Amino acid sequence: DTGVSQNPRHKITKRGQNVTFRCDPISEHNRLYWYRQTLGQGPEFLTYFQNEAQLEKSRLLSDRFSAERPKGSFSTLEIQRTEQGDSAMYLCASSLASRENTQYFGPGTRLTVL
Amino acid sequence: QKEVEQDPGPLSVPEGAIVSLNCTYSNSAFQYFMWYRQYSRKGPELLMYTYSSGNKEDGRFTAQVDKSSKYISLFIRDSQPSDSATYLCAIPGFQKLVFGTGTRLLVSP
Repeated sequence: DTGVSQNPRHKITKRGQNVTFRCDPISEHNRLYWYRQTLGQGPEFLTYFQNEAQLEKSRLLSDRFSAERPKGSFSTLEIQRTEQGDSAMYLCASSLASRENTQYFGPGTRLTVL
Repeated sequence: QKEVEQDPGPLSVPEGAIVSLNCTYSNSAFQYFMWYRQYSRKGPELLMYTYSSGNKEDGRFTAQVDKSSKYISLFIRDSQPSDSATYLCAIPGFQKLVFGTGTRLLVSP
């Protein structure tokens, strides 16, 4: 399977704990995006990378959130001191920079904060 | 006003019906328009995209853009139970996609 993969698929954590998610994009894609989706809503943009550079961050990305893409391949999204309001599906997408409108999404990581 | 507005549904139809899904958008500068399909607890899957105005057909699916009204539509002919999913319209913003809330479609056998 050469699509976008995300791990873990589900994560249940207690409030105050730190969590980290991983995204592996389509191999030739140099852009990688993170979105968050809550129940009954469409995905909302969080941040994106071109290669290893993080080029834009949404206001939704509070100081407790950090994303990295150290070698321009896979990416991690860490949430520190989780809150119940962080419960959501975290989606990763990738694209070619030359075709940024055509983004391919992974299956998502569903986070539940108790 | 949200950049993209979409009726959340749910929309329930019998198998074989023609389905019409719609979005409105606020920025007349938008040129590309996409439709994604999302099955329950899965990531969105790119279904179709169109550029500027007019129609684009792909099998049972037709995407239509009316830029004068800032209105985009997705038509599904001969709907199947396997079409039951949430359909999201999306418009490219600056370096990101802006999504509607999604319309949940239920096709009953």
